[in-house]
Amino acid sequence: QSALTQPASVSGSPGQSITISCTGTNSDVGAYNYVSWYQQHPGKAPNLIIYDVSNRPSGVSNRFSGSRSGNTASLTISRLQAEDEADYYCSSYTTTRLVFGGGTKLTVL
Amino acid sequence: QVQLVESGGGVVQPGRSLRLSCAASGFTFSNYGMHWVRQAPGKGLEWVAVTSYDGSNKYYGESVKGRFTISRDNSKNTLFLQMNSLRAEDTAVYYCAKGFGGSSGWVAIDHWGQGILVTVSS
Repeated sequence: QSALTQPASVSGSPGQSITISCTGTNSDVGAYNYVSWYQQHPGKAPNLIIYDVSNRPSGVSNRFSGSRSGNTASLTISRLQAEDEADYYCSSYTTTRLVFGGGTKLTVL
Repeated sequence: QVQLVESGGGVVQPGRSLRLSCAASGFTFSNYGMHWVRQAPGKGLEWVAVTSYDGSNKYYGESVKGRFTISRDNSKNTLFLQMNSLRAEDTAVYYCAKGFGGSSGWVAIDHWGQGILVTVSS
């Protein structure tokens, strides 16, 4: 099964905004409103930060936002903080299964 | 609060079997789809399998289809993963995870266990 395509790494300075892309196909990202994003700190389990393309679960900071254009979904983190340094994964539903992106390491400079 | 506690991991030889369990608490287990997701050492997340809230529907990732079986016992709030014909590439931390529910059904995952390591090696 093909993973969704994410950049291996992104970086930004505190206070700046960054965007992580997640490219799929018209069978997954482009077909369903079921893109999710997860944050994972080293040695910890992942944490849901965006679901259904652009919705935030209760308790997640509004500095995190999601969007989609065609077959590419995006996660934007505004007003970067040191605690945002982590790995980020996108996932999408595609006909009876889920597929994850390869993950993006965010470094806060 | 939601708690998911995996057990049953360890070291196993290639070709052998292993059964993982996940004890759930803090929510109505029988109302939610449940997943297994794995992460090989130093690698990304890989979706393994999902079972619907009542166990009537089960779906699998391509790499485990035909070898792994997901099941649940709603009377005991427990999720299982039977892993047969294990291979070295199945070595990973396995996470038990809860579907978000609501309009999203099981397609988003809102709670994860701490994970348990399965090592396939001779």
